[in-house]
Amino acid sequence: KNEVEQSPQNLTAQEGEFITINCSYSVGISALHWLQQHPGGGIVSLFMLSSGKKKHGRLIATINIQEKHSSLHITASHPRDSAVYICAAAISNYQLIWGAGTKLIIKP
Amino acid sequence: DAGVIQSPRHEVTEMGQEVTLRCKPISGHNSLFWYRQTMMRGLELLIYFNNNVPIDDSGMPEDRFSAKMPNASFSTLKIQPSEPRDSAVYFCASNRGVSRETQYFGPGTRLLVL
Repeated sequence: KNEVEQSPQNLTAQEGEFITINCSYSVGISALHWLQQHPGGGIVSLFMLSSGKKKHGRLIATINIQEKHSSLHITASHPRDSAVYICAAAISNYQLIWGAGTKLIIKP
Repeated sequence: DAGVIQSPRHEVTEMGQEVTLRCKPISGHNSLFWYRQTMMRGLELLIYFNNNVPIDDSGMPEDRFSAKMPNASFSTLKIQPSEPRDSAVYFCASNRGVSRETQYFGPGTRLLVL
């Protein structure tokens, strides 16, 4: 069993749909990161969470420390949201355990 | 700030050749990370520098790989000799090295070893 597991692995949805990507971890963490990787390959950090919830535009990230679970939500999804979304668990000030990523495709 | 800068963006080379990848971290960042991304293994940390000193190189695959950080604004990752299984995207990232901090990624170098 991987220490950081994401689901689903692939997700295809229609423009406008509400999207949820899940991340479960089995290790002790100091923070949980969500990152986005576009088809061009660049990796961008979206959120870093150690508790509660964060919101940026149409993106919302939540974390439940007791359940060792985090979710990334996208409201009013758009084709430009199509990307791979990766969660990563910070187990030290520099070490991240990476999830395998969720490939999201939003169809117009 | 220009962000993390990597060069070259693409590299195609033949097996046995030496490959040098370069990274300029964001000014003021004192931690630098080299990652490798493949379809099979995802993102893997190769080496972590703090204040130009290699702190953790346990992810470096073998002796063919070496990394240096001669100063705060420049790092290299060298593969000698290169092999087809080294084909991957290599990312450099940096941050200030404090707890619970985002890492800022460069655009990556896509390496193909024939």
